[in-house]
Amino acid sequence: DTGVSQDPRHKITKRGQNVTFRCDPISEHNRLYWYRQTLGQGPEFLTYFQNEAQLEKSRLLSDRFSAERPKGSFSTLEIQRTEQGDSAMYLCASSLGWAGAGTDTQYFGPGTRLTVL
Amino acid sequence: GQQVMQIPQYQHVQEGEDFTTYCNSSTTLSNIQWYKQRPGGHPVFLIQLVKSGEVKKQKRLTFQFGEAKKNSSLHITATQTTDVGTYFCAGAGGTSYGKLTFGQGTILTVHP
Repeated sequence: DTGVSQDPRHKITKRGQNVTFRCDPISEHNRLYWYRQTLGQGPEFLTYFQNEAQLEKSRLLSDRFSAERPKGSFSTLEIQRTEQGDSAMYLCASSLGWAGAGTDTQYFGPGTRLTVL
Repeated sequence: GQQVMQIPQYQHVQEGEDFTTYCNSSTTLSNIQWYKQRPGGHPVFLIQLVKSGEVKKQKRLTFQFGEAKKNSSLHITATQTTDVGTYFCAGAGGTSYGKLTFGQGTILTVHP
């Protein structure tokens, strides 16, 4: 399967714990995005990378959230001191992206469902 | 900030009936993308519209982008049970080329 993969698919944690999610984009896709989706809502943008550079962060992304893409391939999203309000599906997407392309087609992974007890 | 509104929130149809969902943006978009999400699944890309007034068809699905590039619609002719799911529009615009702003989605239920 050459699509976007995410790990783990499900995560249950206790309030106050730290969690880390991983996303592997489609090979050769330069752009990688993180979104959060709660029940009954559309995905909400969190942040995106062009290669290893983090180009934009949403105001939704509090100081407890950090994302990295150190080598321009896979990415990690860490949530520190989790709160019950962090419970959601965390979606990763990737796109080809090239200079001047604007927004190109984003392909989504299966998501990581986080439950904070 | 940019907002994308989508109506209706829910639509129940009998198999064979048509279905339309509408999307409106608070700002002019550079392009709009449509996604389908099955229950328990993730968003799957359907199409991207870029040009003002653009119309694209995929079999029974017709997508339109408004002249002002602020609204869009998806029309499905003669729905089938396989069309069940949530349809999202997602707009890109302004100076934020990477960010998609999603609508709330329209949940389509098709009764056989």
